[in-house]
Amino acid sequence: DIQMTQSPSTLSASVGDRVTITCRASQSISTWLVWYQQKPGKAPKYLIHKASNLESGVPSRFSGSGSGTEFTLTISSLQPDDFATYYCQQHKSYPITFGQGTRLEIK
Amino acid sequence: EVQLVESGGGLVQPGGSLRLSCAASGFTLSNYAINWVRQVPGKGLEWVSAISSSGAKYFADSVEGRLIISRDNFKNTVYLQMNSLRVEDTAMYYCAKDVVASGSEGFDHWGQGTLVTVSA
Repeated sequence: DIQMTQSPSTLSASVGDRVTITCRASQSISTWLVWYQQKPGKAPKYLIHKASNLESGVPSRFSGSGSGTEFTLTISSLQPDDFATYYCQQHKSYPITFGQGTRLEIK
Repeated sequence: EVQLVESGGGLVQPGGSLRLSCAASGFTLSNYAINWVRQVPGKGLEWVSAISSSGAKYFADSVEGRLIISRDNFKNTVYLQMNSLRVEDTAMYYCAKDVVASGSEGFDHWGQGTLVTVSA
């Protein structure tokens, strides 16, 4: 199985900050990576696919990059609505696996 | 509008069974793979199972042999039959539509979830 490891587990930041979350795969997954945002009590929201493609309607302050085993999600200028938990997911092969999540909290 | 509505969760004793349903609307179910993802309250996401548009089935190691996934394209519904349930199966169960028919390119629509509690 492909293991996905996110860092950090928790990130404290302020509105307007630029933040980066890292996701590492235990083996190469090319660009078969998705990022989701989840808020308490809600289902995850599809943000970025194929590592760097922004889903329609997602603000341009979100961006993704990487290939192979290392990936990043960057939010260029944090907005109040962005405080949530973020998950990466590989879909190169079954079983599909998620990172453990990064909780983005207000400093 | 694409919608997925889960049902069938509830309280069950260890060793018991439940059947979850995922009713789809706003798209043609037969054209997409459908997945089940679970989440223990306060914890992370765990992929559980998938069924492709052609009927190919996939399971996580943790549930292999205990779960059966099926689809009824006429009813636009996917089912997850859960047998030999364990306390560690307690979680919110989401169904999620894949972007593609087979394989996966991520889950672009999710239901609101149905809670399964396994407890004596």
